[in-house]
Amino acid sequence: DAGVIQSPRHEVTEMGQEVTLRCKPISGHDYLFWYRQTMMRGLELLIYFNNNVPIDDSGMPEDRFSAKMPNASFSTLKIQPSEPRDSAVYFCASSLGSGMGNQPQHFGDGTRLSIL
Amino acid sequence: AQSVTQPDIHITVSEGASLELRCNYSYGATPYLFWYVQSPGQGLQLLLKYFSGDTLVQGIKGFEAEFKRSQSSFNLRKPSVHWSDAAEYFCAVGPLSSGGSYIPTFGRGTSLIVHP
Repeated sequence: DAGVIQSPRHEVTEMGQEVTLRCKPISGHDYLFWYRQTMMRGLELLIYFNNNVPIDDSGMPEDRFSAKMPNASFSTLKIQPSEPRDSAVYFCASSLGSGMGNQPQHFGDGTRLSIL
Repeated sequence: AQSVTQPDIHITVSEGASLELRCNYSYGATPYLFWYVQSPGQGLQLLLKYFSGDTLVQGIKGFEAEFKRSQSSFNLRKPSVHWSDAAEYFCAVGPLSSGGSYIPTFGRGTSLIVHP
């Protein structure tokens, strides 16, 4: 079975450019999460969706970050304009949840983002 | 508020030795508990989970964890470590009510180094 698919795996771009990260969750999963992982801050939850609707975006660091989920099989995380401090590994995860928190999350392999 | 603490940032063991990774949580009720492993360049993979019942939980790759309510702990163990077990290990506790849904909180992780 296909897991969570993220693209690209690596992205290197210059400061000020727009960056778009993509995620395809596991089919049938109704929760989708975006995380950022850095050495300094560990794994941070940025935003999550339930049935394509953003539920909590309190982890999104700034207005430069935005996320969308136009349908059940696709989500994007966009950074515009990008800054060097945005360099991190970004993970997408999905789960089949009843909303009770007892379902494990399935993670993609991440996008390693480097902003020069 | 719920929280999860992994006291050890790094753990070094010799191949073939036993392993115990510590996880302590703070939560008002019976928690849902998870252990994930992250190999280099990959996303997090679920090792095991605890919801209720038997406090000793068996997972994949020969790992087990024991829930001890009196100590608020959920330590991960393996009797004999293999070189391929070198990775980052994350403990997670749920559910955290956020926006009406319940999601887990992740610890900062413990990096396991295995010496030949």
